[in-house]
Amino acid sequence: QVQLVESGGGVVQPGRSLRLSCTASGFTFSDYAFHWVRQAPGKGLEWVAVISYHGRNDYYADSVKGRFTISRDISNNTVSLQMTSLRADDTAVYYCARTFRLSHYYMDVWGKGTTVTVSS
Amino acid sequence: EIVLTQSPGTLSLSPGERATLSCRASQSVSTSSLAWYQQKPGQAPRLLIYVASIRATGIPDRFSGSGSGTDFTLTISRLEPEDFAVYYCQQYGSSPITFGPGTKVDIK
Repeated sequence: QVQLVESGGGVVQPGRSLRLSCTASGFTFSDYAFHWVRQAPGKGLEWVAVISYHGRNDYYADSVKGRFTISRDISNNTVSLQMTSLRADDTAVYYCARTFRLSHYYMDVWGKGTTVTVSS
Repeated sequence: EIVLTQSPGTLSLSPGERATLSCRASQSVSTSSLAWYQQKPGQAPRLLIYVASIRATGIPDRFSGSGSGTDFTLTISRLEPEDFAVYYCQQYGSSPITFGPGTKVDIK
């Protein structure tokens, strides 16, 4: 079935790095753009980044620009989020979501999320 | 950046009642590029409505969306027990994508 599964979350100290992964299955990976959306504890949804369906374009929220990098690997149907210089306010559940072809579109399938805690 | 404001913050209703949720944008949302999501505790968001009024696959017809420009509405005609959740609007017509702060629908 159509599925997105995130992994890679954990507890990390401020200033350190972490890499999240999202593995897609059940659909044609190359037809979709992929997003990371995060949710801080008890808060709302915040869009983080998107990579286009062909992988040539990526866009970021101002809050993570220059610190986070999104990428995709068609050989194993994965999307990654490399996070550097992590701060306490990056603590959140990180969701992977897909959009059909367009980078700015509605997100019809979401993963269950992976939790990142930035704490000393 | 388009800022979305949702009202009310919390809506306390009983099963069977009608829920009307509002989403207002700080500037016009192009081509009605607005979606609604439902989120239950401990779960990922679920797409309900896109292009302001089109129900996503498998969404019951008690959910309906309307609006254009800067004012959008999600209506749940008769609340079922499983509808008590938080609802977010999202605009995707302009970069960056933005979400509203959410409306919690809880049991009165």
